[in-house]
Amino acid sequence: GNSVTQMEGPVTLSEEAFLTINCTYTATGYPSLFWYVQYPGEGLQLLLKATKADDKGSNKGFEATYRKETTSFHLEKGSVQVSDSAVYFCVISGGYNKLIFGAGTRLAVHP
Amino acid sequence: DTGVSQDPRHKITKRGQNVTFRCDPISEHNRLYWYRQTLGQGPEFLTYFQNEAQLEKSRLLSDRFSAERPKGSFSTLEIQRTEQGDSAMYLCASSLAGTGASFNEKLFFGSGTQLSVL
Repeated sequence: GNSVTQMEGPVTLSEEAFLTINCTYTATGYPSLFWYVQYPGEGLQLLLKATKADDKGSNKGFEATYRKETTSFHLEKGSVQVSDSAVYFCVISGGYNKLIFGAGTRLAVHP
Repeated sequence: DTGVSQDPRHKITKRGQNVTFRCDPISEHNRLYWYRQTLGQGPEFLTYFQNEAQLEKSRLLSDRFSAERPKGSFSTLEIQRTEQGDSAMYLCASSLAGTGASFNEKLFFGSGTQLSVL
């Protein structure tokens, strides 16, 4: 079945630093890829998505590009803020009816 | 749109007791999902409904677990004869069913029910 592997956390950065959270996937067919985020005390929410190869998803300054040749979907942001502190999940579609989550990467941004 | 709500937020029970959780999805959403999340892990799919029909169940959902979605609105997840290994956060999510060969719709998650089995 489909699966994702993402870098372990925690990732600790200073404000305005560059962020990369690595994610690679294994899949059959043509899955969609997502990043979901869980802010402290809140429910999971969709951050961005890409539905086919070479698509770039973007939202709130975050970006990720669906790379079929390297089976990757790395999350990047050029300048993180304290408010970006959260747990980030790389997610792949499992067939046509569910999502499969990675283990999550905790990001802590300090002023 | 009040979002997905789950009740209760926390449940502490003794091993062997039955527990029931409720999920109220976003009103116009036709799909409803249950996931389970343990500490330090991502959510794992348990089951989902399209309207009132339960269309798929994970192998994680043993015979002690049962989910319903009467009339295609709210859903309940019951765990019978709870075990300590059932301790987890139980998440509910809802969505509008999309089209196409790959799942690409946005799921809206509730805040979850944290179950502790003593």
